[in-house]
Amino acid sequence: EDQVTQSPEALRLQEGESSSLNCSYTVSGLRGLFWYRQDPGKGPEFLFTLYSAGEEKEKERLKATLTKKESFLHITAPKPEDSATYLCAVQGMNAGNNRKLIWGLGTSLAVNP
Amino acid sequence: NAGVTQTPKFRILKIGQSMTLQCTQDMNHNYMYWYRQDPGMGLKLIYYSVGAGITDKGEVPNGYNVSRSTTEDFPLRLELAAPSQTSVYFCASSYQPGQIKYEQYFGPGTRLTVT
Repeated sequence: EDQVTQSPEALRLQEGESSSLNCSYTVSGLRGLFWYRQDPGKGPEFLFTLYSAGEEKEKERLKATLTKKESFLHITAPKPEDSATYLCAVQGMNAGNNRKLIWGLGTSLAVNP
Repeated sequence: NAGVTQTPKFRILKIGQSMTLQCTQDMNHNYMYWYRQDPGMGLKLIYYSVGAGITDKGEVPNGYNVSRSTTEDFPLRLELAAPSQTSVYFCASSYQPGQIKYEQYFGPGTRLTVT
């Protein structure tokens, strides 16, 4: 069964204190792994798609990496405005033509000034 | 380019009432999805559509109905509202023909309370 597990559930950092969020997945053939950011009261905002092991993508202070079993979202020198819930989702070959995603429960990140 | 828009933003329903949540996208996406999000439970897929006239059930379809008469619109109908349908509802869309990208883009959500 396709599954996504995110850790930790919650993370509190001081401004400037770098860290990583983890997304472990089990899927029958990975089509893509997706990272989203969700602010309170808003819809998820797309960040990155990773397609194959070894791939990396960056956006400002965020860098996403992918292995055959997990993905990491590295946050370098975070600022308070990086506080949000970060969601991970995968799409497997079993998704078929509907391209459904399997979602993790998210990591709630708080960055203190 | 407005992306995915949803109306209303907030709604309070009484038990047994019905309503339609509206969703429109202007990205020429073929695929559209309805999710509900409850605290600690993650995103649950209610219904999805791969094109106009084609819809199918997701994980939690009971108590809901959808239709897709145009590429742009994907309304979600709640019949006989129950307290268990209190949630935040998100519409999403993905896949523009000719592009190899399947990330989903979300609307701002509708917060529904059933009392």
